[in-house]
Amino acid sequence: GAGVSQSPSNKVTEKGKDVELRCDPISGHTALYWYRQRLGQGLEFLIYFQGNSAPDKSGLPSDRFSAERTGESVSTLTIQRTQQEDSAVYLCASSLEAFSYNEQFFGPGTRLTVL
Amino acid sequence: AQSVTQLDSQVPVFEEAPVELRCNYSSSVSVYLFWYVQYPNQGLQLLLKYLSGSTLVKGINGFEAEFNKSQTSFHLRKPSVHISDTAEYFCAVSGGTGFQKLVFGTGTRLLVSP
Repeated sequence: GAGVSQSPSNKVTEKGKDVELRCDPISGHTALYWYRQRLGQGLEFLIYFQGNSAPDKSGLPSDRFSAERTGESVSTLTIQRTQQEDSAVYLCASSLEAFSYNEQFFGPGTRLTVL
Repeated sequence: AQSVTQLDSQVPVFEEAPVELRCNYSSSVSVYLFWYVQYPNQGLQLLLKYLSGSTLVKGINGFEAEFNKSQTSFHLRKPSVHISDTAEYFCAVSGGTGFQKLVFGTGTRLLVSP
């Protein structure tokens, strides 16, 4: 079956602009996760959804970051007033349910470059 | 809080040689441990995981890892590597009840040369 897909694959934007990153999880997966991967660093947890609810938003770096999920399917990560430090690869993952032991399936990522 | 340390940022090795990628973790609760691999220009893929039971875990592509609770380690091994194993390898930990976020190490780049 289809895996996790993300769009766009690459996004170049100017400082101060807003960007939206999209994630389509594997069909039937109720849990969805967003991570950020900065150059030379590990993955940084941002937020997760169980269904359409986000029980843990503690990883969002600032109030410029927000995310939503609709129809227990597609999710959008929005970054307002982008800064150069937002440049990174943003990865989305999904799993059957949001339990710690469940395997997370990752998408290919969106590479964001803020000029 | 949980954390993961991958001391080796890069490991060069010749084809058909054995390799060990080191991972140490810290956690105040029982842990679940994972190794993910990221091939160039691809997403992360699960190699193997330890949830409970046997401390020696076998994964895909001939990789295995051993959970050592006393040393808080989960090192990844392969007896004979191939050129195609060149990739970035991430160790990750979660644990506890319900959902606990997956905490990743900074990754180890495995470079296999002929």
